[in-house]
Amino acid sequence: DAGVTQSPTHLIKTRGQQVTLRCSPKSGHDTVSWYQQALGQGPQFIFQYYEEEERQRGNFPDRFSGHQFPNYSSELNVNALLLGDSALYLCASSYPRANYGYTFGSGTRLTVV
Amino acid sequence: GNSVTQMEGPVTLSEEAFLTINCTYTATGYPSLFWYVQYPGEGLQLLLKATKADDKGSNKGFEATYRKETTSFHLEKGSVQVSDSAVYFCALSDEDSNYQLIWGAGTKLIIKP
Repeated sequence: DAGVTQSPTHLIKTRGQQVTLRCSPKSGHDTVSWYQQALGQGPQFIFQYYEEEERQRGNFPDRFSGHQFPNYSSELNVNALLLGDSALYLCASSYPRANYGYTFGSGTRLTVV
Repeated sequence: GNSVTQMEGPVTLSEEAFLTINCTYTATGYPSLFWYVQYPGEGLQLLLKATKADDKGSNKGFEATYRKETTSFHLEKGSVQVSDSAVYFCALSDEDSNYQLIWGAGTKLIIKP
């Protein structure tokens, strides 16, 4: 049973560019959340998608946007990249009422130069 | 609002020592509680969970008991190994947080041979 898969694993972009990160949830999960984790810090919630709509959003600017597809997979898009966007981006999947926890992918390491 | 407080690290122990990482929480409802572990360079893995008071979560020799009277969920292991070196995050989710994970700051654990 595949867990959460994310692609790519590593990415280097230049300031001002745009990036798209991808996530496939664990089989049976229909809710996808995205987190940003800066080096040495805990995860920061970006947003959550359920039924192809953004259901919740953390304190991130509109440069961060997302999408969920009918097969529950999801994309995270970041426009006008800043050096401060360099981080590990984690995708997590769950059932809608996540009392039993989230399953995380291994993340995408984004470096902005 | 809901919050999680965990002991600051790094925690440095010798192999086979007893481990305790303290975690306390504040919540208005009845949260589910989680411990996640992050090994160097990797994503987050669910280590154990407890969904109601007095439940004990356990996995890989780690244990934590949901104590509602002390609002705590301390992580313990009787004999740590070098391979347990990682960052450990305590987290909660409940209806009041729309089932989003509320994270502690993380505790880095270093086990020396």
